[in-house]
Parts: sequence; structure tokens; C-alpha cells
Amino acid sequence: DIQMTQSPSSLSASVGDRVTITCRASQSISNYLNWYQKKPGKAPKVLIFAASSLHSGVPSRFSGSGSGTDFTLTISSLQFEDFATYYCQQSHSTPFTFGPGTKVDVK
Amino acid sequence: EVQLVESGGGLVQPGGSLRLSCAASGFTFNTYWMSWVRQAPGKGLEWVANIKQDASEIYYGDSVKGRFTISRDNAKNSLYLQMNSLRAEDTAVYYCARIRWELGFWYFDLWGRGTLVTVSS
Repeated sequence: DIQMTQSPSSLSASVGDRVTITCRASQSISNYLNWYQKKPGKAPKVLIFAASSLHSGVPSRFSGSGSGTDFTLTISSLQFEDFATYYCQQSHSTPFTFGPGTKVDVK
Repeated sequence: EVQLVESGGGLVQPGGSLRLSCAASGFTFNTYWMSWVRQAPGKGLEWVANIKQDASEIYYGDSVKGRFTISRDNAKNSLYLQMNSLRAEDTAVYYCARIRWELGFWYFDLWGRGTLVTVSS
């Protein structure tokens, strides 16, 4: 099975900050990497698919990059509604594993 | 409205069974792979199972293989998860999710609000 790790596990930031989250796969997954946002009590929302493609309706302040084993999610200017937990997920092969999550909270 | 609505969660004793349902509306259900994903309290997301449009391909996560069965009824626009031999570690919110295939890539593009399953004596 492909294992996914994320760093940091949590971070504190302020509105307007640039935020970067890293995701690493235990083996190459090409660009079969998705990013989701999860808020307590809410359904997850997809932000990025195929490592760098912005899902329809997602603000352009979100961007993704990477290929192979190392990936990055960047929020260019953090907004209040972006405080949440972010998960990466590989869709290269089953099981479709998720990373452990990165919680972004208020500094 | 395009949506997924889960139901069937509740409190069940260890070793017991439960059947979850997911009602799909607003889209052509029989053209999509579907999935179940869960989140245990205070934990991250865990993929549970996938099912192809015609149920000809099914995949399970290792932690539920042999105990859970995913199925669908395209005539009823519904997805199911039969959960047997439940354990405390199966306690979680279970989400129904639609799988989108775009540009050769899979991702979960539509999610329900989830249904809570609690396994406890």
C-alpha cells in the first residue's frame, strides 16, 4: 500500500499569510494526488486534483504542485474561511490512501 | 439539487451489523463510480470502499475487507454499505462520495454530510 505523510501536522497563521503544506508519498504516484479541505461537522471539499488542477469553483488563492513523491498545497493569502484541516490523497492505486492531515488554525 | 444523503447510522454493539444507505439526486447516478470514506473521532479520513457503475469492480480497504460489503441499486439511485462483525475501531462518521474521472484522474468531487456509526457495548 502507498503511505502518505504530511507536514506540518498543524500550523498557526494569520489572515493574509501565505501557507504551504507538504505531502509525500511512499512511492512514486506520478501526479495522482488530490487535496481536500475538511471543517468540523462538514463534508470534505476537493480543492485540487491531479496535483495541480483547480477544481471548479475553488478560489484561485489555492494552488498545488509536485510530481512523483513530493507535493505542495499553497494558499497564497489565507482567508478566514480557510481555517480548516487539509488532507492529501493518492488516487494512483487502491487503497486510495489519505495523508494524516494538516490543521490550519488562527495564530 | 446535486446531493448525497446518508442514513442508517446509529449505536450498535461490538460484533453487530448495520446497513448504511446513501441516496443520490440531481445527477445520473449510474454513470459514476461511488465510494465510502470514514472519519473516526479526532482522526483523519480513511477510504473504505469503491464500486464501479455496474458493480463489476469493487475494492475495499484492508481494515474492512471481509466484514463490509458495498453495493448499489442504480434503479433507486442508492449506494449501500453492509457492515458486519463491527468493532469499536469502526466507530466513525461514514461519508458517501462520488468519484469523478477527469483528464484520466480520479477524485472525490461530491460528498454527503455523513452518518455517525458508534460501536459500543
